[in-house]
Amino acid sequence: AQSVTQLGSHVSVSEGALVLLRCNYSSSVPPYLFWYVQYPNQGLQLLLKYTTGATLVKGINGFEAEFKKSETSFHLTKPSAHMSDAAEYFCAVSGGNKLIFGTGTLLAVQP
Amino acid sequence: EAQVTQNPRYLITVTGKKLTVTCSQNMNHEYMSWYRQDPGLGLRQIYYSMNVEVTDKGDVPEGYKVSRKEKRNFPLILESPSPNQTSLYFCASSLGATFYNEQFFGPGTRLTVL
Repeated sequence: AQSVTQLGSHVSVSEGALVLLRCNYSSSVPPYLFWYVQYPNQGLQLLLKYTTGATLVKGINGFEAEFKKSETSFHLTKPSAHMSDAAEYFCAVSGGNKLIFGTGTLLAVQP
Repeated sequence: EAQVTQNPRYLITVTGKKLTVTCSQNMNHEYMSWYRQDPGLGLRQIYYSMNVEVTDKGDVPEGYKVSRKEKRNFPLILESPSPNQTSLYFCASSLGATFYNEQFFGPGTRLTVL
């Protein structure tokens, strides 16, 4: 069965600092992996996804994630945080006919 | 504009009073799904539909019903709501039934059951 673990339910960074949100997955088959972002009072929107091919995936708003099979990880990074990045971020893995979500990481960006 | 719409956005009701949350998408997507979001638990799937007249249970289906009579609509029905169904609900759709497709989410429905 597939599962996702997000380390750190709350992460706080200063504006301009590196953003690193951690995600580890468990999957018995080659995984499809996703990062979604949820801004306050909105639905989720896709940041980026990994299906096959290049392990470094670039998404919207300057985010990227690297699929590391040996570490079963799919961490999300952004070199320089912006105030507008404050949101909740969800890692997800495909599992049959559904997405299996992590519990989310709330990112705060301090001025 | 391509979108998933949900109504109502906010709902306060009482235990046992039947309610329906509507979901509609204008992207001709085959796959639709309902999730509930609770603090510390992330999103959990309630029901999904692979196409018209094809629905199946997700991880937390108890107390909910769905139907898919038209491709664009996927209503969520709570026949007898209880306080433990107080939650934030999201409808989502994607192009195909396979899961490398992006899911598009509605804006959410915040339900409170007293």
